[in-house]
Amino acid sequence: LAKTTQPISMDSYEGQEVNITCSHNNIATNDYITWYQQFPSQGPRFIIQGYKTKVTNEVASLFIPADRKSSTLSLPRVSLSDTAVYYCLVSGAGSYQLTFGKGTKLSVIP
Amino acid sequence: NAGVTQTPKFQVLKTGQSMTLQCAQDMNHEYMSWYRQDPGMGLRLIHYSVGAGITDQGEVPNGYNVSRSTTEDFPLRLLSAAPSQTSVYFCASTGTGGDGEQFFGPGTRLTVL
Repeated sequence: LAKTTQPISMDSYEGQEVNITCSHNNIATNDYITWYQQFPSQGPRFIIQGYKTKVTNEVASLFIPADRKSSTLSLPRVSLSDTAVYYCLVSGAGSYQLTFGKGTKLSVIP
Repeated sequence: NAGVTQTPKFQVLKTGQSMTLQCAQDMNHEYMSWYRQDPGMGLRLIHYSVGAGITDQGEVPNGYNVSRSTTEDFPLRLLSAAPSQTSVYFCASTGTGGDGEQFFGPGTRLTVL
């Protein structure tokens, strides 16, 4: 399973766009990149998944460069309720065994 | 749909006691798994199941047993609780195919004294 590296923590003011970058230098050809969000005392929640280029949904965007050795989760105009830990995961298509790192603790400041 | 449910929410055990953490899902998902999360850490996979009657070990299986007699239920048994098993336990499920999104339960906070 590819190892991922992401910042331990980030701070942002309300209303700003937040970009969290994840490195995954050993990503395999059939691996997907998935991001989960976890609030305190809750289980993780799926945010977005992608394979290459750009994916956008109602919550976030995911940018993946051509070499796929990194990815960036973009949260537009964050609010206080976006304060959470964000995990970047890499796993093969059809693989259900997820490997969670320590994640990035995002703190949104009023 | 209730999604993934877990009971109990909190539990305190003494060293050596045994107990079962319950997990159920009503989404007819084939795949279910158990994770533990220690303070300030990510989740680690304990056991998983790809369908009724089929289970396998994850990253940290020692001290835990699982069984999968139905699609809906996936209980986790602690055979002889140890302080090192103090953690928050999450159950998750996902359907086959699609993007593999895993749905997590609310967790069980376990303390072993």
